[in-house]
Amino acid sequence: QSVLTQPPSVSAASGQKVTISCSGSTSNIGYNYVSWYQQVPGTAPKLLIYDNNRRPSGIPDRFSGSKSGTSATLGITGLQTGDEADYYCATWDSSLSEALFGPGTKVTVL
Amino acid sequence: QVQLVESGGGVVQPGGSLRLSCAASAFTFSSYGMHWVRQAPGKGLEWVAFIWSDGIGQYYADSVKGRVTISKDNSKNMVFLQMNSLRADDTAVYYCVRNVELPMTVIGYFDYWGQGTLVAVSS
Repeated sequence: QSVLTQPPSVSAASGQKVTISCSGSTSNIGYNYVSWYQQVPGTAPKLLIYDNNRRPSGIPDRFSGSKSGTSATLGITGLQTGDEADYYCATWDSSLSEALFGPGTKVTVL
Repeated sequence: QVQLVESGGGVVQPGGSLRLSCAASAFTFSSYGMHWVRQAPGKGLEWVAFIWSDGIGQYYADSVKGRVTISKDNSKNMVFLQMNSLRADDTAVYYCVRNVELPMTVIGYFDYWGQGTLVAVSS
């Protein structure tokens, strides 16, 4: 059972928008930074968002992140077939002294 | 270009041991903490262990605590994961990952990932 909660799957038509939620608690998301990762099956994860809402160079602005209280959200606009992947949130838990990943959300482009 | 190359995976019997290695290049290795993150077949990502840039302090997931040791050799740009008392549920691809620090937190985020090495625990 994951400490962080994500929806198992989200889907939308090409060109549309999806949002993925990541819910936690005060000791993890509430007090620490959230990052997001994209993983295409069979490949290593790739950093999408760090410091709650910042994008590394090379990540298009179609990807956005936000955090409020004990929840974080990843948004993807202008959905493309190449965005089909699993998406994970991550943070540090100050009570557990462990890094946490969410269970992952599969994005499907209809 | 930053590179992380894992090695040492393989098939091991339950109760056995394995030592994973990760060779880092193209960045100042001694300035970065490092993680091991694993992914069981068909499952999500699971953080395993973290070591500070100077190699002095470590953190471990509860699921591996007491069975796993992470270490770092800044003179050789290498990070290691010694795994003992291996169980079937340790079967996974193990990724070596670079940490970027952020203020006021133990870890910041995972910016570069290796391609992973497969550990299979089976009799």
